[in-house]
Amino acid sequence: NAGVTQTPKFRILKIGQSMTLQCAQDMNHNYMYWYRQDPGMGLKLIYYSVGAGITDKGEVPNGYNVSRSTTEDFPLRLELAAPSQTSVYFCASSPSGDTEAFFGQGTRLTVV
Amino acid sequence: AQSVAQPEDQVNVAEGNPLTVKCTYSVSGNPYLFWYVQYPNRGLQFLLKYITGDNLVKGSYGFEAEFNKSQTSFHLKKPSALVSDSALYFCAVRPYLSGTYKYIFGTGTRLKVLA
Repeated sequence: NAGVTQTPKFRILKIGQSMTLQCAQDMNHNYMYWYRQDPGMGLKLIYYSVGAGITDKGEVPNGYNVSRSTTEDFPLRLELAAPSQTSVYFCASSPSGDTEAFFGQGTRLTVV
Repeated sequence: AQSVAQPEDQVNVAEGNPLTVKCTYSVSGNPYLFWYVQYPNRGLQFLLKYITGDNLVKGSYGFEAEFNKSQTSFHLKKPSALVSDSALYFCAVRPYLSGTYKYIFGTGTRLKVLA
């Protein structure tokens, strides 16, 4: 059972570079989420999606973009990396709005 | 504003002793409440949830949580702590906002169980 798969696990970016964090789930969940985790700050919602073709902003969307062309995939795009985007990024999915979420193992991103 | 508070950054407890990790919330309407655990270099894992019904909810690994509506709390408990319970614990609330559900997470409490 793969669950939620995130790639890459680690990445170092230079300021101004761009990259895409990949997220795929094989549970046919409608809801998908991107969070960032900063020390002592808990998890902050970046973007979420309630189904293919539908995305919306969370608490901290600036500097990021997402798309949801299929139920399975929910990539997160960083266009111009900044040091403030150094964080651990988690993708999650859930079958509906009132159920628990399943998390990937995270991507540790450092922007230098 | 909708929010979740975990007032303790760290909780230390001796192995075999009962443990409590505190969580209070502020949401409008009926809250959906969750506890997650995070082990080092891993994603969050679901422990238990309260949607409706009995105020005492039982979950994975012997954990339970008590929903207290009057105190707006959802404290996580375990009768006898294990060293392997040492991890980062997150409380989350899931209000219905702007036509959809969104998690709001607390800042986390690090549990350290001492042998």
